[in-house]
Amino acid sequence: AQSVTQLDSHVSVSEGTPVLLRCNYSSSYSPSLFWYVQHPNKGLQLLLKYTSAATLVKGINGFEAEFKKSETSFHLTKPSAHMSDAAEYFCVVSVSSAAGNKLTFGGGTRVLVKP
Amino acid sequence: DAGVTQSPTHLIKTRGQHVTLRCSPISGHKSVSWYQQVLGQGPQFIFQYYEKEERGRGNFPDRFSARQFPNYSSELNVNALLLGDSALYLCASKTGPSSYEQYFGPGTRLTVT
Repeated sequence: AQSVTQLDSHVSVSEGTPVLLRCNYSSSYSPSLFWYVQHPNKGLQLLLKYTSAATLVKGINGFEAEFKKSETSFHLTKPSAHMSDAAEYFCVVSVSSAAGNKLTFGGGTRVLVKP
Repeated sequence: DAGVTQSPTHLIKTRGQHVTLRCSPISGHKSVSWYQQVLGQGPQFIFQYYEKEERGRGNFPDRFSARQFPNYSSELNVNALLLGDSALYLCASKTGPSSYEQYFGPGTRLTVT
């Protein structure tokens, strides 16, 4: 079985300061990991993905994440927050099976950016 | 290119009623998945379809069913609605079942009263 735990339900940062969103995963197999962002009344947008290539993954809008197998973590960071980063972020794990790839979502982290 | 589209955007139903939600995938995508997102939680996997066949099912009761049509569009049906079925229902498409990258639609907001 696979699961994802996002360690913070809410994160508040000031504009221009770094953002860190923490994610731990559990998977019986080599996982693929993703971060999605959801703005209010919008669909989910893929920020970045890890699929067993480089452990440091760069995504859109200046976000990046590092896969650490020893810590079973996949934390998301951004050096400088922008007001438009205010949204909900989901860490997601996917494991391949005969039926295809099923996504398991974490509970989400809501990011507030203060001016 | 058009993204994943879903209809309707909002829906209000009464307990015990039936509802049908619709999804059109991105052109060229043959796999469609459905997710339920209850307020304040992450999306939960309901179904995955590929080439009109069910390829995966989450932990949902038999009141939930789905199908995929020859043009790869999909319907999600929920019978005997309960208050707890109130949620945002998301559809996602990808090129095939083994593809990693899924593209999500804006969702259908279902309210059961």
